[in-house]
Amino acid sequence: RKEVEQDPGPFNVPEGATVAFNCTYSNSASQSFFWYRQDCRKEPKLLMSVYSSGNEDGRFTAQLNRASQYISLLIRDSKLSDSATYLCVVNGDAGNMLTFGGGTRLMVKP
Amino acid sequence: EPEVTQTPSHQVTQMGQEVILRCVPISNHLYFYWYRQILGQKVEFLVSFYNNEISEKSEIFDDQFSVERPDGSNFTLKIRSTKLEDSAMYFCASSRRVPGELFFGEGSRLTVL
Repeated sequence: RKEVEQDPGPFNVPEGATVAFNCTYSNSASQSFFWYRQDCRKEPKLLMSVYSSGNEDGRFTAQLNRASQYISLLIRDSKLSDSATYLCVVNGDAGNMLTFGGGTRLMVKP
Repeated sequence: EPEVTQTPSHQVTQMGQEVILRCVPISNHLYFYWYRQILGQKVEFLVSFYNNEISEKSEIFDDQFSVERPDGSNFTLKIRSTKLEDSAMYFCASSRRVPGELFFGEGSRLTVL
C-alpha cells in the first residue's frame, strides 16, 4: 500500500464551483499533515496545515479523519488561478520525514 | 520574505560526471532537506540534515550521494557519478522545527546526457 495516496485527476471544474480532494495515508502514527500546491515545473508551496479540529483559510477548508486515515481539502468558489496540482503531505514512517502524495491536478475553466 | 535559494537553476552534465547542487536555506531554520522530482512523478525525499549530520535518508540516497554544510549558510548535495536516471528537479527545503512546514527553493533541474 502506498504511504500517501491521491486521485491524480485531473478534476476539471468551472469557475465558481466547489471541489474536494481526498488523500489517504497508511501510517496510523502520523502526526503532521499538510496541503501543498505545485504549479507546473515550480516548487511546492505550502497551502495550509491540517489540524485535528479542521481548519479554514478563506475559500480553503482542510479536514482530518484519523479513524479512516484520510485528509481532505475543499475549495469553494474556484478561481482560474486555483489551477494547479495539490499535494497531500504527511510525516511518514520515519517520524520526521515528510512524504508526498502523487498530487491531484485541478483545472478550473472559464 | 525570507526564501530558500538554489543554484544552479539548470545543469546539464555527462553521465559519470560529478555534480554539486547548492542551496542557501532560510537563515533561522535548523533543518535542511533535499527532495527530488523526476518529470511527471511525485516529490521524493532524499535526505534530511540537522546539527551538521544526516538525520534521515531514503533508499534513493545511496553512496553516490552526499550532503554537506561547508559554512554557516550553504547546504550542498553532491552526486559523485551521475547516471541517466538522476535527471530530475532537485529541491532544497528548510524548516524551523520537525515535523513542520517545509519551505522549498525553486529547484535545480539536472539533465544527465
